Amino acid sequence: EIVLTQSPDTLSLSPGQRATLSCRASQSVDSNYLAWYQQKPGQAPRLLIYGASRRATGIPDRFSGSGSGTDFTLTISRLEPEDFAVYCCQQYGTSPLTFGGGTKVEIK
Amino acid sequence: QVQLQESGPGLVKPSETLSLICTVSGDSISRYSWSWIRQPPGKGLEWIGYMYFRGSTDFNPSLKSRVTISVDASKNQLSLRLSSVTAADTAVYYCAKATSGKTYYDASSGYLHTFYFDSWGPGTLVTVSS
Repeated sequence: EIVLTQSPDTLSLSPGQRATLSCRASQSVDSNYLAWYQQKPGQAPRLLIYGASRRATGIPDRFSGSGSGTDFTLTISRLEPEDFAVYCCQQYGTSPLTFGGGTKVEIK
Repeated sequence: QVQLQESGPGLVKPSETLSLICTVSGDSISRYSWSWIRQPPGKGLEWIGYMYFRGSTDFNPSLKSRVTISVDASKNQLSLRLSSVTAADTAVYYCAKATSGKTYYDASSGYLHTFYFDSWGPGTLVTVSS
């Protein structure tokens, strides 16, 4: 099973700042089959990125994904008020599908 | 755009079977693959299993012996059954539309598929308690 470790646990930033979130895999993720989700309290996750760097339909271009192998990054170029949430990564390179524990982006 | 809605008992007794339904609207359930995913309170997401659109299934090894996933195409519904539940099964349960990542052959399991999840239901909280 591929274990995904996200860091930091919490990121305290102000609106307008840049957020950089890390997702590290315990083994290489095949063909960059990695997705990112945003989750707000009491809501279901929302797909942001798939294939490590492809934005899902309707996702603003301030969200970008990068990385390969075992190290992946989600970047939010300029935080908007609605971006404060929990972000988690998911690998779909091999079964079982696994998720990271999440990074909370909170208002400083 | 498909919409998903989970339903079922919010309280299940230990050792009993948890049964949930996901009703799909906006398109035929038979066109897509589907998954169940759960999230214990305050914790991360855990994949439970999938139903591939051609009818095959696969499950998280941690739950495999207790899980059944099926589709009723006539009702456009996906179902989940989890037997012998304990307090550790208390979670918000989500159904999700699964978009294919890759297909590969595993010597012990046969052909397996991987997915990411592009549409989710709002989730339903199931508490296991006597």
